[in-house]
Amino acid sequence: KAGVTQTPRYLIKTRGQQVTLSCSPISGHRSVSWYQQTPGQGLQFLFEYFSETQRNKGNFPGRFSGRQFSNSRSEMNVSTLELGDSALYLCASSLGDESSGANVLTFGAGSRLTVL
Amino acid sequence: GQNIDQPTEMTATEGAIVQINCTYQTSGFNGLFWYQQHAGEAPTFLSYNVLDGLEEKGRFSSFLSRSKGYSYLLLKELQMKDSASYLCAVVSPNDYKLSFGAGTTVTVRA
Repeated sequence: KAGVTQTPRYLIKTRGQQVTLSCSPISGHRSVSWYQQTPGQGLQFLFEYFSETQRNKGNFPGRFSGRQFSNSRSEMNVSTLELGDSALYLCASSLGDESSGANVLTFGAGSRLTVL
Repeated sequence: GQNIDQPTEMTATEGAIVQINCTYQTSGFNGLFWYQQHAGEAPTFLSYNVLDGLEEKGRFSSFLSRSKGYSYLLLKELQMKDSASYLCAVVSPNDYKLSFGAGTTVTVRA
């Protein structure tokens, strides 16, 4: 089956602009999580969506937002870009059924954002 | 809060064994994941431990001690393709969020 697909893979923006990243989860997965990955900081949790609702949120400013559609596809948006937003943004999907314990996340290859 | 520590880098020779340690101090615990990430690629699932002890999967094994807040990933019979970053992640009990360590870059030399 198809894996997690993220688009675009690479993009370059300038400070002050905004960006939208897209994630298509594995078919049947209802949870989509977003992470920011930078050298030295590792993966930092942004937010998680399940059934079109934000279920968890990390400690990022309000410039970072997301949403999930009825087909489980998700988008994240970063407004008023700053140089420090340059990173690899990873999306991960899972079944999202927490009643059976922690779910294995399947990651996409990421969207590499460079802010100039 | 979550504090997860792993060594930054490790180097080993092809055919050897390497042990990657992960220590955590977290507000609650509901399991620990190990992921492998090759440069420029997505992290991929290696193992999940929720109970104490050793889980073996071929050349890779993962160990957990909840009382010590400690886990390790053991890579045996190292191959060049094992050169990658290895990520330790702890699961929060209330919301099942994963908190990741910064990752350990393993370089395998011939």
